[in-house]
Amino acid sequence: AQRVTQPEKLLSVFKGAPVELKCNYSYSGSPELFWYVQYSRQRLQLLLRHISRESIKGFTADLNKGETSFHLKKPFAQEEDSAMYYCALINTGGFKTIFGAGTRLFVKA
Amino acid sequence: DTGVSQDPRHKITKRGQNVTFRCDPISEHNRLYWYRQTLGQGPEFLTYFQNEAQLEKSRLLSDRFSAERPKGSFSTLEIQRTEQGDSAMYLCASSIGTSADTQYFGPGTRLTVL
Repeated sequence: AQRVTQPEKLLSVFKGAPVELKCNYSYSGSPELFWYVQYSRQRLQLLLRHISRESIKGFTADLNKGETSFHLKKPFAQEEDSAMYYCALINTGGFKTIFGAGTRLFVKA
Repeated sequence: DTGVSQDPRHKITKRGQNVTFRCDPISEHNRLYWYRQTLGQGPEFLTYFQNEAQLEKSRLLSDRFSAERPKGSFSTLEIQRTEQGDSAMYLCASSIGTSADTQYFGPGTRLTVL
């Protein structure tokens, strides 16, 4: 079954500390992985996608096919990073997107 | 605002009533998606349109749910004979139409069924 698991509902870190939001997936093919973010009172938006291999707002994510993981990392968290983060996958060439339950990141001053 | 828009933003209805939601995608986007999101969960895929063609419908949807996208522009999602379990945020997203492209989300319609 296709599934995205985000084991942490809430992650709280201090400003300047490293942060890692975990994402594991279950999929038989070769999915494409994404991280979406929702800031307070804003709509859901794309943060980054693995195919782009880019760093957005200091965040990076590496696809580990062996461990079927796509963890989101940032070396130094900022208060403005506080938001809801969703990991998602879509089958290559497809359109059905499967989202994880989300992790709320709270960065304390 | 040239983003995805949804109307209404909030809907309160009584059990058994029918409701219809509208989504206006970004104008040049060919793909349109509907999701449902309940408290503490991520968005759940409901259905997908490529232009006016509905290409997939989730098994989550019962026969009470129907979606249309006439002329490949705006889309409507109708729920007939609403139940309390239908209470959720209904999200619409659109994308240009390339493989696994970025989806742009609307603000959502929050449905409360009393």
